[in-house]
Amino acid sequence: DAGVTQSPTHLIKTRGQQVTLRCSPKSGHDTVSWYQQALGQGPQFIFQYYEEEERQRGNFPDRFSGHQFPNYSSELNVNALLLGDSALYLCASSSGSMGWTGELFFGEGSRLTVL
Amino acid sequence: DAKTTQPTSMDCAEGRAANLPCNHSTISGNEYVYWYRQIHSQGPQYIIHGLKNNETNEMASLIITEDRKSSTLILPHATLRDTAVYYCIVETYGGATNKLIFGTGTLLAVQP
Repeated sequence: DAGVTQSPTHLIKTRGQQVTLRCSPKSGHDTVSWYQQALGQGPQFIFQYYEEEERQRGNFPDRFSGHQFPNYSSELNVNALLLGDSALYLCASSSGSMGWTGELFFGEGSRLTVL
Repeated sequence: DAKTTQPTSMDCAEGRAANLPCNHSTISGNEYVYWYRQIHSQGPQYIIHGLKNNETNEMASLIITEDRKSSTLILPHATLRDTAVYYCIVETYGGATNKLIFGTGTLLAVQP
């Protein structure tokens, strides 16, 4: 049973560019959350997708957008990259339709470096 | 903002019990205590959660005080592989969004 998979694992971009990160949730899960983790900090909630819609959003600018596909996989897009966007981006999956079990399953993350 | 306070770091000898404290003095009646850990370069991993009763699973035990204003995560026999950042999180169970707000956690260093 595959867990949460994310791609790419590492990438380097320059300021002003755009980036797309991808996530496949754990089998049986229908809800995907995205977190940003800066060096030395805890993960910060960006937004969550359920039934292909953004259900809740954290305190992140509109440059951060996402999408969920019918197969429950998800993408995180960041436009007009800033140096401060350098971070580990984590995807977490859970079940919205089967009820919250108290457990989020996280992927290994995508390490983004903005130069 | 995170609703919990944890020490920045702790040390523990290998084979001994690791006791990680967490203060959550503003916890409300419908909020649970969750513990996650993050080993270096990996995503966070769920450990345990509880409401008011003590809980135990194959990884750890969770002791919540009677007034629910603090809790302790206990790793009964710490190994080097338990070296990680441990996050204590307070959140509503079964909330509409299954969202968890992380603080900065406690870095537990298990020493040989």
